[in-house]
Amino acid sequence: EPEVTQTPSHQVTQMGQEVILRCVPISNHLYFYWYRQILGQKVEFLVSFYNNEISEKSEIFDDQFSVERPDGSNFTLKIRSTKLEDSAMYFCASSERADLLYFGPGTRLLVL
Amino acid sequence: GDSVTQMEGPVTLSEEAFLTINCTYTATGYPSLFWYVQYPGEGLQLLLKATKADDKGSNKGFEATYRKETTSFHLEKGSVQVSDSAVYFCALQGGTGRRALTFGSGTRLQVQP
Repeated sequence: EPEVTQTPSHQVTQMGQEVILRCVPISNHLYFYWYRQILGQKVEFLVSFYNNEISEKSEIFDDQFSVERPDGSNFTLKIRSTKLEDSAMYFCASSERADLLYFGPGTRLLVL
Repeated sequence: GDSVTQMEGPVTLSEEAFLTINCTYTATGYPSLFWYVQYPGEGLQLLLKATKADDKGSNKGFEATYRKETTSFHLEKGSVQVSDSAVYFCALQGGTGRRALTFGSGTRLQVQP
């Protein structure tokens, strides 16, 4: 069964450093998403992406964040200058018709 | 804005016990409702969904009914197994025209043999 994959599974970085989280969505899907879950808190929406542009974003997704689909398979989330409060599990998801979302296993980011 | 409230966990049950995890929501319009499950070390998996009032979603012995009058979507299973141990998330989509999912805080279920 096709699945969404994410790399790395864990990332540790120093405050102020840039990180790039990578995702490979399911191949025929057209809608892509990033969500995050701070430890012990809710899963929060960050951004959705369709037709090579952002279609929706939350208040969390400020200028420090960016997304890109650099080729036909990868979907990346970049955090330019990480803060301690960016420590969270980041989930990528994809969808064929923006209805059913399929999630990846997540990347656990720890900012020190 | 849209919001989802779930009962806090952990919920600890013995095998074959009856499970209920409460979920209520606040949304304008007519949202779709979902239950996602996260097994240890894995991503969120769609468990079941309902798209309109009185719909019942079901999968793997789990059921939830979309109750508009009580704005609820409680998850139930008649007889849980150890393999059901996971975190369960209630979510809604589209209450205010947004396509993004709004999640509850998750409820951890532990089933003991």
